[in-house]
Amino acid sequence: ETGVTQTPRHLVMGMTNKKSLKCEQHLGHNAMYWYKQSAKKPLELMFVYNFKEQTENNSVPSRFSPECPNSSHLFLHLHTLQPEDSALYLCASSQVVRGRAGNTIYFGEGSWLTVV
Amino acid sequence: GQNIDQPTEMTATEGAIVQINCTYQTSGFNGLFWYQQHAGEAPTFLSYNVLDGLEEKGRFSSFLSRSKGYSYLLLKELQMKDSASYLCAVRDLAGGYQKVTFGTGTKLQVIP
Repeated sequence: ETGVTQTPRHLVMGMTNKKSLKCEQHLGHNAMYWYKQSAKKPLELMFVYNFKEQTENNSVPSRFSPECPNSSHLFLHLHTLQPEDSALYLCASSQVVRGRAGNTIYFGEGSWLTVV
Repeated sequence: GQNIDQPTEMTATEGAIVQINCTYQTSGFNGLFWYQQHAGEAPTFLSYNVLDGLEEKGRFSSFLSRSKGYSYLLLKELQMKDSASYLCAVRDLAGGYQKVTFGTGTKLQVIP
């Protein structure tokens, strides 16, 4: 039990499908993140939400659309993806005091996405 | 921006000691993390350094030199279960919000 849960754990979707990844954190944190992990590449930060506000968008294509309805939930909506988007998508959370350093980041177990 | 470098792969013998190095370049440095990631699993937190020096936690120790932009993770008394990728990550504060960037990870193989 990591305190950050992601569903589904595995997803196979066609390039014309629309699907969503869900993340929920049970740690009382106020910041949530989406990372992408592809083979042979470092973890890539995609989106950051601090206090439910999106504060970072690392030039992610618009076919990835995040949603953060509250500080405990984070979604990643997927549509018209490409095969190269196949990767492990990791959600994470941390506690940040505005303007000061926060604590460590805790990861969920990830959602394995395959685009066919 | 940030630039984080660590070796791609290392091999070490069970019971031995291994040191995994990480160098970084960043503005607004505010801490360095080490994570362990077994194949097919999420990264798990190992250590955190924000001041210079050595932090020891059981068989694992982490060292930081901010002036040199350098850290290492030291694993003692290696066990087969230590075979995993070890990720170095650097945090900086941009505009008052934290941003954590990861290196490519070092895949450690422990052999009998």
